[in-house]
Amino acid sequence: DQQVKQNSPSLSVQEGRISILNCDYTNSMFDYFLWYKKYPAEGPTFLISISSIKDKNEDGRFTVFLNKSAKHLSLHIVPSQPGDSAVYFCAPVEMNSGYSTLTFGKGTMLLVSP
Amino acid sequence: NAGVTQTPKFQVLKTGQSMTLQCAQDMNHNSMYWYRQDPGMGLRLIYYSASEGTTDKGEVPNGYNVSRLNKREFSLRLESAAPSQTSVYFCASSEAVGQGSEQYFGPGTRLTVT
Repeated sequence: DQQVKQNSPSLSVQEGRISILNCDYTNSMFDYFLWYKKYPAEGPTFLISISSIKDKNEDGRFTVFLNKSAKHLSLHIVPSQPGDSAVYFCAPVEMNSGYSTLTFGKGTMLLVSP
Repeated sequence: NAGVTQTPKFQVLKTGQSMTLQCAQDMNHNSMYWYRQDPGMGLRLIYYSASEGTTDKGEVPNGYNVSRLNKREFSLRLESAAPSQTSVYFCASSEAVGQGSEQYFGPGTRLTVT
């Protein structure tokens, strides 16, 4: 049973446009949500996060929106740049006993064309 | 500041052979993790160590053992490799509590078992 679903395996956008990556989850105990970006042959790198007590967090071109009632979050990238082409993973956290384990979605491959 | 380092970068094993994947972090993090990533899949947690001296199973621990050698190092051992263990293995580390749930990943080890 997938706790985290990223239903779009891939997304293509033009440079300068907005990219919207979606993530749905089923576990209501998730209380912190992270997005990771991964280039080929590299490890994932942290991009942006949001706490369950917020509904929006913004960092430069990246904004994450959280709709707790719908168990849905989205990552907006605007304007998109070719260097944003990568796989993006949604990774909710259930804080438990002082440590944190991430549950990763399958990822969405974003391709930004010039 | 190297962050999280992994050795080796690539490895080919024959079925039944054993090997140890090494991981070290220089960020003084308490928690360390081992993940595997298969094609079209998100990262799945194999084992983690919440703090020095403790280890726990993740989602897919069968066929693996781990050792938290000290605060810096966390190794993953395959005692008898199987083709199903062909994957990319990522090590990660994080601070243990609160907003430190962000995990920092190494570059990965690509393992092929023939």
